[in-house]
Amino acid sequence: DTEVTQTPKHLVMGMTNKKSLKCEQHMGHRAMYWYKQKAKKPPELMFVYSYEKLSINESVPSRFSPECPNSSLLNLHLHALQPEDSALYLCASSQLQREGLADTQYFGPGTRLTVL
Amino acid sequence: GQNIDQPTEMTATEGAIVQINCTYQTSGFNGLFWYQQHAGEAPTFLSYNVLDGLEEKGRFSSFLSRSKGYSYLLLKELQMKDSASYLCAVSNSGNTPLVFGKGTRLSVIA
Repeated sequence: DTEVTQTPKHLVMGMTNKKSLKCEQHMGHRAMYWYKQKAKKPPELMFVYSYEKLSINESVPSRFSPECPNSSLLNLHLHALQPEDSALYLCASSQLQREGLADTQYFGPGTRLTVL
Repeated sequence: GQNIDQPTEMTATEGAIVQINCTYQTSGFNGLFWYQQHAGEAPTFLSYNVLDGLEEKGRFSSFLSRSKGYSYLLLKELQMKDSASYLCAVSNSGNTPLVFGKGTRLSVIA
């Protein structure tokens, strides 16, 4: 089973709203990721959690706030977003190999976010 | 620095063979991945190469030459459903777990 689930599939929000995106995996993976993807562009890494601790923050604005409640769940809290934040938000997970070995990332179906 | 290049768009005919090339320059190298992404959907894992040579998986094969910083994805017996973006991604020893190329949009025509 290589399934990563994300909810909601679509989200429309105003610039003053607060919303959350959710991601779940039950593969026992110890690394989880948030990516942002604009149309016709590759995924752009936002955050990485390793063993439930934030290990990478790619200089993401504070209006995006990640949270990892446990090893299976990853949330992305959204507040005061801008229209240019409209994009497909992808969650991924990986096993977390030891140093020097590559990790295969498995992606969820994404949340299509529109900010009005 | 890191740099990954792949063609922006390709068109091929149903039933044919197409080769999508990827060149990369990266400090440290732990492997190269190919992902397929249909419009509006998530990337799905296709292949992983860490040693030189060809890995075959059904209609899809992936090749790697580490000395040349070069990989290709070969798709045989093309089907209309193969129309998608194909993303080359490199895993290195740097801070970012995967560095993606810009993707190649493949259109399969009848």
